[in-house]
Amino acid sequence: ETGVTQSPTHLIKTRGQQVTLRCSSQSGHNTVSWYQQALGQGPQFIFQYYREEENGRGNFPPRFSGLQFPNYSSELNVNALELDDSALYLCASSQWGADTQYFGPGTRLTVL
Amino acid sequence: GQNIDQPTEMTATEGAIVQINCTYQTSGFNGLFWYQQHAGEAPTFLSYNVLDGLEEKGRFSSFLSRSKGYSYLLLKELQMKDSASYLCAVRDRAYNTDKLIFGTGTRLQVFP
Repeated sequence: ETGVTQSPTHLIKTRGQQVTLRCSSQSGHNTVSWYQQALGQGPQFIFQYYREEENGRGNFPPRFSGLQFPNYSSELNVNALELDDSALYLCASSQWGADTQYFGPGTRLTVL
Repeated sequence: GQNIDQPTEMTATEGAIVQINCTYQTSGFNGLFWYQQHAGEAPTFLSYNVLDGLEEKGRFSSFLSRSKGYSYLLLKELQMKDSASYLCAVRDRAYNTDKLIFGTGTRLQVFP
């Protein structure tokens, strides 16, 4: 158990809909990173939040957006869902500058 | 560009030793992680190498050669529970972002 929680566990949406995924970071951690993991692939970096500001972004379109709250929890929002958005979405929390990121259990998103 | 290569699948026998290789070519490098991921679960931290050489932790060891862009994870005294995917990830701290760049993962099956 890493102390990082995510909700919901599973989600089914249809194309064109919008989705919000949530992540609670481990106590004492001020940085949250989001990753997308398609089936059979390694996780891909979406973006990172540090002290409520976006702190770097991977190769994902603007319809992927996020927030970090004062308690360092975070949301990932995806608009205009596409079939290829079906994946496991992982959040990882860390203390800025520390070596290790701790992953939550993930949210499995299926887009039909 | 960012390129991390590792074998897609490996098989081994319970009690044996297996070595999983990872080669990388990335624009930034601030260390290399190995994570274990059981099907449908979050990646869990195994090791982190920043300097060249071998790091040993129980049945698992990890090696890094920065000049060769090469790492391996060595698993000894294999157990059935070691059947999982093993992810090699490069830490990249460029542009004030602290992100992980993952390979596609190596699926290890341990047979009795």
